[in-house]
Amino acid sequence: ETGVTQTPRHLVMGMTNKKSLKCEQHLGHNAMYWYKQSAKKPLELMFVYNFKEQTENNSVPSRFSPECPNSSHLFLHLHTLQPEDSALYLCASSQRQGEAYEQYFGPGTRLTVT
Amino acid sequence: GQNIDQPTEMTATEGAIVQINCTYQTSGFNGLFWYQQHAGEAPTFLSYNVLDGLEEKGRFSSFLSRSKGYSYLLLKELQMKDSASYLCAVTDSNYQLIWGAGTKLIIKP
Repeated sequence: ETGVTQTPRHLVMGMTNKKSLKCEQHLGHNAMYWYKQSAKKPLELMFVYNFKEQTENNSVPSRFSPECPNSSHLFLHLHTLQPEDSALYLCASSQRQGEAYEQYFGPGTRLTVT
Repeated sequence: GQNIDQPTEMTATEGAIVQINCTYQTSGFNGLFWYQQHAGEAPTFLSYNVLDGLEEKGRFSSFLSRSKGYSYLLLKELQMKDSASYLCAVTDSNYQLIWGAGTKLIIKP
């Protein structure tokens, strides 16, 4: 596979469930990002990992928990979510953080919280 | 605060030219990106400007004026497949990307 992949593509979960989103990049990049995309709103940066170290956490609620075991894989663990968390969750990667490199995005996970 | 403004929606005709504007107010500037996002798909990189002027890449061109905090994306010879959202994003002084809400472009035959 090439580029950035995300699984699952669609997820419906109840407010009491626990689930995880997975992202994998095959580009040899060292920075990985989680974004939330809601209709008619700008992309919201959630977390950034640079060389496996978390460098950004933009005031994200603790019900979202990231994990980056290596430079190629990124997870987003979800628990006790709220209906307003329903959105498209995008993963991206770039050569590294700290310079103006373009970001490559995965296809996203469409999350619905019921 | 940091802000990126772009029109919410634009309509154009197949074969025509359309210009999508983006104005920004950010803490510092280290470049401006344009991305294309088709419905239900990932954003894909279109262009990057860091110096003033016009960058041309096939049917797409991007312009930047740093003194005015302004950029535009110019699409020529529009095709139906150009129907998508176009996202403007600015890299600030901390190299963080600040995103606009995107412009939905509708192409009519």
